[in-house]
Amino acid sequence: DVKVTQSSRYLVKRTGEKVFLECVQDMDHENMFWYRQDPGLGLRLIYFSYDVKMKEKGDIPEGYSVSREKKERFSLILESASTNQTSMYLCASLEGLNTEAFFGQGTRLTVV
Amino acid sequence: AQSVTQPDIHITVSEGASLELRCNYSYGATPYLFWYVQSPGQGLQLLLKYFSGDTLVQGIKGFEAEFKRSQSSFNLRKPSVHWSDAAEYFCAVTMEYGNKLVFGAGTILRVKS
Repeated sequence: DVKVTQSSRYLVKRTGEKVFLECVQDMDHENMFWYRQDPGLGLRLIYFSYDVKMKEKGDIPEGYSVSREKKERFSLILESASTNQTSMYLCASLEGLNTEAFFGQGTRLTVV
Repeated sequence: AQSVTQPDIHITVSEGASLELRCNYSYGATPYLFWYVQSPGQGLQLLLKYFSGDTLVQGIKGFEAEFKRSQSSFNLRKPSVHWSDAAEYFCAVTMEYGNKLVFGAGTILRVKS
């Protein structure tokens, strides 16, 4: 089974902290994605990566950055966490555009 | 820009009734289309997908969806809803270029007995 693992299920951070969300996939997929999920807004794409060291902005990249140093790992970074970044964060990977995306269980981040 | 619209935020149906969830996309070329379901507290599960060929696709749990290019739609249907179908449903699209996977805002399905 394909596995996409997010390092934490729940996180509580203080405003202004630098936050790292880690995602690891074990299927050698080329493409990885970070989304945030908010009620009524669905999954909004923050950043995605189609290769090591390659990244593309999604629809809501402001306040976030990403890192992909190895194919299996895609990190989301909140440089200075703010309360409006309180959300559920989902990581996904897929082999190619005509294949199924596999999701991690999500990280519920609360910024206080 | 590529976008996905799910016009219904909430839908309530009676158990045993038929269901149709709407999805429209905005993209010039042939899209790859998906429906995912998320039960409360759970991750996303793929229901079905369309890439090419027959425009009526069958999925898991008795769901089906029809791709209509002329209407830029990919509506999800089920002939008889079960209480366990209560969940949030997401339509998603990938485009041939750019490797983006974009989701709609979701439709919350409530099933009343």
